[in-house]
Amino acid sequence: NAGVTQTPKFQVLKTGQSMTLQCAQDMNHEYMSWYRQDPGMGLRLIHYSVGAGITDQGEVPNGYNVSRSTTEDFPLRLLSAAPSQTSVYFCASSLWGRGDGYTFGSGTRLTVV
Amino acid sequence: AQTVTQSQPEMSVQEAETVTLSCTYDTSESDYYLFWYKQPPSRQMILVIRQEAYKQQNATENRFSVNFQKAAKSFSLKISDSQLGDAAMYFCAYRRETSGSRLTFGEGTQLTVNP
Repeated sequence: NAGVTQTPKFQVLKTGQSMTLQCAQDMNHEYMSWYRQDPGMGLRLIHYSVGAGITDQGEVPNGYNVSRSTTEDFPLRLLSAAPSQTSVYFCASSLWGRGDGYTFGSGTRLTVV
Repeated sequence: AQTVTQSQPEMSVQEAETVTLSCTYDTSESDYYLFWYKQPPSRQMILVIRQEAYKQQNATENRFSVNFQKAAKSFSLKISDSQLGDAAMYFCAYRRETSGSRLTFGEGTQLTVNP
């Protein structure tokens, strides 16, 4: 049981480049989400999904796209990277309708130069 | 919108002593969940303890306990017999009772444990 797997762990991009952060979970969790972590700001929600084919925006969605074609996978796409997107990104999942805490991936440290 | 506030950016404690981390939140809901997460230097987010708002009894997990004051919207974390391995960033988080609701985080408190 791997939990939530995020790849890559580290990435450096040039301004304007695009890339996809991968997230996969093997716990059959309906709910998946992407957060970014910045110093002094905690974790802020980018996008989330309540099931395959259903996604919605969080607090800071601009510059990011998501899709959910399967229950297991929830990739995050950066369309045209900007220095303001330098951050640590976390994918997290949980069961629907439960008050459980989320299960988090190990994070991706992204630097945009 | 719900907000979570951690007013202590940094805290320190001597090994074997007790420390309390503060958290307040704002919500109009009556049913919700509160969490404390630990983030060590490895960056992994680890669930420390959770509290259901409808339960009056404070949650406890070994050396970790909470003081949940629903009327005051306060949710502090007490770490007893602090250990070097407790050094980490700690996040308070809130989640509505509604199915599939999002997790809202505070800004975090960096805890240092001095030997």
